[in-house]
Amino acid sequence: KAGVTQTPRYLIKTRGQQVTLSCSPISGHRSVSWYQQTPGQGLQFLFEYFSETQRNKGNFPGRFSGRQFSNSRSEMNVSTLELGDSALYLCASSSGRGDTQYFGPGTRLTVL
Amino acid sequence: AQKVTQAQTEISVVEKEDVTLDCVYETRDTTYYLFWYKQPPSGELVFLIRRNSFDEQNEISGRYSWNFQKSTSSFNFTITASQVVDSAVYFCALRPMYSGGGADGLTFGKGTHLIIQP
Repeated sequence: KAGVTQTPRYLIKTRGQQVTLSCSPISGHRSVSWYQQTPGQGLQFLFEYFSETQRNKGNFPGRFSGRQFSNSRSEMNVSTLELGDSALYLCASSSGRGDTQYFGPGTRLTVL
Repeated sequence: AQKVTQAQTEISVVEKEDVTLDCVYETRDTTYYLFWYKQPPSGELVFLIRRNSFDEQNEISGRYSWNFQKSTSSFNFTITASQVVDSAVYFCALRPMYSGGGADGLTFGKGTHLIIQP
């Protein structure tokens, strides 16, 4: 089975722009979660989607949003980028809530 | 609120030594999952193990072993006869078994950077 894939792998944006990151889960997985990893804050939970519905949301501003499509693929959007949004964004998929989350390689976002 | 503490920021050992990574957690939930992930320099988090809160059996997988003690809220990870390929950042994580409707994704510790010197 193919693993979780994320595109693009690297992004460079400037402050004020917006960005969309994409995640394709493992085949058959219906749950997708997003995490932000920074040197200062570590790994932080952004949100989780299951069957196109957001089930959980972390403590992030409304500039961070996401969605899930009927094929379980998910996108994450960050609007009005700030320098502090520079991070590695990791997507994880699982069969359901009680199951192990498997992570993709991440998208490295740099905001200049 | 949940919290995972990995007090060891960095550990450096010589190859073939045994090394234990500590993980202490705090949660008000009575049922939860505990995890260990490995992050090599490539950046991808690699799943190592998951334990349920009601299953305190220790587990051994090859050179890896895990010691879960609910009484001390600890879930420690030991690598026996370490190898250079074990060099990575290791994360301990916690998640409630049942959703409280809040921000209950995985809660990660800050990670332990393990350096295995040849």
